Amino acid sequence: DAKTTQPPSMDCAEGRAANLPCNHSTISGNEYVYWYRQIHSQGPQYIIHGLKNNETNEMASLIITEDRKSSTLILPHATLRDTAVYYCIVRNKAAGNKLTFGGGTRVLVKP
Amino acid sequence: GAVVSQHPSWVICKSGTSVKIECRSLDFQATTMFWYRQFPKQSLMLMATSNEGSKATYEQGVEKDKFLINHASLTLSTLTVTSAHPEDSSFYICSARREGTTEAFFGQGTRLTVV
Repeated sequence: DAKTTQPPSMDCAEGRAANLPCNHSTISGNEYVYWYRQIHSQGPQYIIHGLKNNETNEMASLIITEDRKSSTLILPHATLRDTAVYYCIVRNKAAGNKLTFGGGTRVLVKP
Repeated sequence: GAVVSQHPSWVICKSGTSVKIECRSLDFQATTMFWYRQFPKQSLMLMATSNEGSKATYEQGVEKDKFLINHASLTLSTLTVTSAHPEDSSFYICSARREGTTEAFFGQGTRLTVV
């Protein structure tokens, strides 16, 4: 699975949009971009995934660049409960399904 | 969404004893389950992949005789930490893949403290 690069930490203001970047310059054509988050002392929670089109669900939006070498997770209105470590993972859906976690971005939402 | 439950949520045990952690898929059948370990302020590290009815596949550096994995049914996998030592203290997390899909869902984790 391709490696991803994320900033180690970022702060954002409650109520504002949080934009979390992820670089995956070595992504291959059949690899998807997945986002998970882990709130302190809990298991990871699935947020969203995409291949090349932008995706939106009730939790977030995923913007993938045209060359697919980077993506941005957008939390439209961050709340204090969104404080967590966010992991960007690229993987081949058909290849074993195991997820390889990098360092993630530690997001702190401040009042 | 699919629910994966781990038991216990936390456990304290003495050095040299064994501890069993259960991972159950509550509302779906899981042909594949994954076990991760997470040390404080670190990311999740995959330990092993277990498939129902067959032997687990361990990641490099994980001792299969120390971390025994059993996946006897489509809804239950167990991880037994044998002869636990303080350095085995960690947060253990399982995930389960719903049969017929590629998506995996995570349990809430088990915090093991070996004293």
